[in-house]
Amino acid sequence: QQQVKQSPQSLIVQKGGISIINCAYENTAFDYFPWYQQFPGKGPALLIAIRPDVSEKKEGRFTISFNKSAKQFSLHIMDSQPGDSATYFCAASVYNNNDMRFGAGTRLTVKP
Amino acid sequence: ETGVTQSPTHLIKTRGQQVTLRCSSQSGHNTVSWYQQALGQGPQFIFQYYREEENGRGNFPPRFSGLQFPNYSSELNVNALELDDSALYLCASSKGTGGYNSPLHFGNGTRLTVT
Repeated sequence: QQQVKQSPQSLIVQKGGISIINCAYENTAFDYFPWYQQFPGKGPALLIAIRPDVSEKKEGRFTISFNKSAKQFSLHIMDSQPGDSATYFCAASVYNNNDMRFGAGTRLTVKP
Repeated sequence: ETGVTQSPTHLIKTRGQQVTLRCSSQSGHNTVSWYQQALGQGPQFIFQYYREEENGRGNFPPRFSGLQFPNYSSELNVNALELDDSALYLCASSKGTGGYNSPLHFGNGTRLTVT
């Protein structure tokens, strides 16, 4: 059922560094691409999302880069902080459809 | 603004039993979606309820069923539990049925263990 491939599985970054997580999708009908952050014992929380009509969206330290022709999108976390240590999921869905397809997740550890 | 609440937080059941999980949607939201998250995996879509009707279903067998009530709260029922049903069950509410303008707001889930 998975139609979104996420890498890497885990990532260790020093405080202040840049964290980069990549995702690739197959279904060209997808038109909504959110990223979720999940802390242990909590549900996923929406971090940032993008539509395919733009190539980049930035919110604070978080940026999504989107490449429609390559069917790839990525999350960049600038100035990574220990508080960013969590599991990050990319996802994709078709408009007006909550059948969201999630990647397998990336466990990010930011070392102080 | 009250977020999505799920109950119970943890549950242990025996194979073959039945279970009911409950979800209260966030204030102002009319749609509830249920997801199953196996350990170390991303959530998988089970189904969505909108206006008290099932509005889309993932690749789950009929023994997974649900309800939505007039106050938009919802239940997930699983019959004939199997060991592979052990997972975190997430409820998500939204103002609409999906997409950029109706993002999902997740609860903290119910951890179901089947022995």
